[in-house]
Amino acid sequence: DAKTTQPNSMESNEEEPVHLPCNHSTISGTDYIHWYRQLPSQGPEYVIHGLTSNVNNRMASLAIAEDRKSSTLILHRATLRDAAVYYCILTPNAGNMLTFGGGTRLMVKP
Amino acid sequence: NAGVTQTPKFRVLKTGQSMTLLCAQDMNHEYMYWYRQDPGMGLRLIHYSVGEGTTAKGEVPDGYNVSRLKKQNFLLGLESAAPSQTSVYFCASSYPGRGNQPQHFGDGTRLSIL
Repeated sequence: DAKTTQPNSMESNEEEPVHLPCNHSTISGTDYIHWYRQLPSQGPEYVIHGLTSNVNNRMASLAIAEDRKSSTLILHRATLRDAAVYYCILTPNAGNMLTFGGGTRLMVKP
Repeated sequence: NAGVTQTPKFRVLKTGQSMTLLCAQDMNHEYMYWYRQDPGMGLRLIHYSVGEGTTAKGEVPDGYNVSRLKKQNFLLGLESAAPSQTSVYFCASSYPGRGNQPQHFGDGTRLSIL
């Protein structure tokens, strides 16, 4: 399975945009890029996913590099509630399994 | 709409005891999954099911059994609990997909084995 690399932690100020990077240099042509987040003492929560084009939803935006070897999750205006561990995960076209890495712990300062 | 519900939320067991964790979903999802999460780590897949009456092994299946007798329920059993199985257990469900279907997670069962 293709792996992802994320920074262990990042800090942001409240009400500022946050760009969470993810490298996936061994991604295959049919792998989807998913992002989940996990708030303290809760189960993971789906954020967004994409294949080749940039994607927007009510929670975030996903920017995918043209060569698909990296992607960036964008939170347009961080709130204290966005403090969580964010996981970037590749899912192969042949199934729907998720393989979680260590993720990025996002801390939001008031 | 409850989504994915896990029962119980907390449990303490003694080594060698058995128990069953229940996961119920009301979204009519075909696929269901059991994960475990150890402190400071990401989730690891234990077993999963792609439909009623079917189950398959994930990354860390040893010491666990599962059953999917009804579409909406997925049971995880520990036959003889060991301290190494102390963890937080998460259940998830999704529609069938080729990598493009989000998984919906429950809030977890915190299991301690003494």
